[in-house]
Amino acid sequence: QQQVKQSPQSLIVQKGGISIINCAYENTAFDYFPWYQQFPGKGPALLIAIRPDVSEKKEGRFTISFNKSAKQFSLHIMDSQPGDSATYFCAASMTGGGNKLTFGTGTQLKVEL
Amino acid sequence: DSGVTQTPKHLITATGQRVTLRCSPRSGDLSVYWYQQSLDQGLQFLIQYYNGEERAKGNILERFSAQQFPDLHSELNLSSLELGDSALYFCASSPHGARRETQYFGPGTRLLVL
Repeated sequence: QQQVKQSPQSLIVQKGGISIINCAYENTAFDYFPWYQQFPGKGPALLIAIRPDVSEKKEGRFTISFNKSAKQFSLHIMDSQPGDSATYFCAASMTGGGNKLTFGTGTQLKVEL
Repeated sequence: DSGVTQTPKHLITATGQRVTLRCSPRSGDLSVYWYQQSLDQGLQFLIQYYNGEERAKGNILERFSAQQFPDLHSELNLSSLELGDSALYFCASSPHGARRETQYFGPGTRLLVL
């Protein structure tokens, strides 16, 4: 059972544009929602994370929007750059579950010049 | 660099064999997590240890086992290997206390079973 659904599977954005990746979750016990960035041959790197008591969190060009009632959250990358080309994973965890991460299926982002 | 180290970086072996993957967490982190990344299954949680004790288990096969040692490094043992076990195996660690949900991933071990 896939508990975190991620879309789109792939995304092409022009340099300077906004990249938007969406995730939806099913388990209302999830209380931590991170986004990870992964380059080929590397491990996932934590990008930004949010808790459900906050509707938005911004760090530099990266923003998470969180909609608790809809059980959805999204990553916005402003002013997308070619160096942002990577695979992005949303994830969710719950404090009572040992904080193990349940990942979405990933989005391959390509930022073109 | 996350501060989590994993060895070896690459591993090529044959079906039926046994291998051991090693992970050293970030300094001071008590929790270690193991994840498997494959094309068909994506990133899947396998098992978690906290300060030497098993804390949570995911869809880990009975052929797989892990342990965390007193110095907090962890090993993932994979036995009776099958072709389908070929994947990237990641270790992650998290701190104790207020930021315990934050997981930092190592560079991974790429396992190829022939």
